[in-house]
Amino acid sequence: GENVEQHPSTLSVQEGDSAVIKCTYSDSASNYFPWYKQELGKRPQLIIDIRSNVGEKKDQRIAVTLNKTAKHFSLHITETQPEDSAVYFCAAISDMEYGNKLVFGAGTILRVKS
Amino acid sequence: ETGVTQTPRHLVMGMTNKKSLKCEQHLGHNAMYWYKQSAKKPLELMFVYSLEERVENNSVPSRFSPECPNSSHLFLHLHTLQPEDSALYLCASSQDPPLAGGPRYNEQFFGPGTRLTVL
Repeated sequence: GENVEQHPSTLSVQEGDSAVIKCTYSDSASNYFPWYKQELGKRPQLIIDIRSNVGEKKDQRIAVTLNKTAKHFSLHITETQPEDSAVYFCAAISDMEYGNKLVFGAGTILRVKS
Repeated sequence: ETGVTQTPRHLVMGMTNKKSLKCEQHLGHNAMYWYKQSAKKPLELMFVYSLEERVENNSVPSRFSPECPNSSHLFLHLHTLQPEDSALYLCASSQDPPLAGGPRYNEQFFGPGTRLTVL
């Protein structure tokens, strides 16, 4: 089955700097890669996703890149702000006929210091 | 209520108790999921229901028993749990397959979770 590894486990950056979180996956058939943000005590929420037919996607200060050959994808946050502090999870779809079986990475705790 | 709701939000139970977690989605979705979130571990998918049929049981011990009576409700029945089962249990829902003309996969919307402590 699919296995997703995520690095680093914790990341501290100064406000205004960029943050990069990287994930690798094992199943070459995976073709959907969402990123979720979970603030302390709150539910995970989708912030951006990418499908295998594109290599990069951007939404304001966040962007995701995908390298299907190397089986890795990354989240980039520019001009970080204190409200970006949260746990970020990457995930990959292991295809199923019915239902979306997301396999998650272990998460990255991002701390933005002001 | 909108989105995905879960009750109770917190639950403390002994190892011999029987309790149930409830999830309700108000999004018109047809797929629902149970996840377990433990400290320093990835979100673990436990069960997937699509069109009210269980399509995935991810090697979960039988002391966890899911029930999906309709597309809006999902239960997780708990009995004779162990202390290591203490975790945040998250419910999620999605539309599967996506609506015509939409992307192949759709976003999963999570509930707020039930914080379970097993004594």
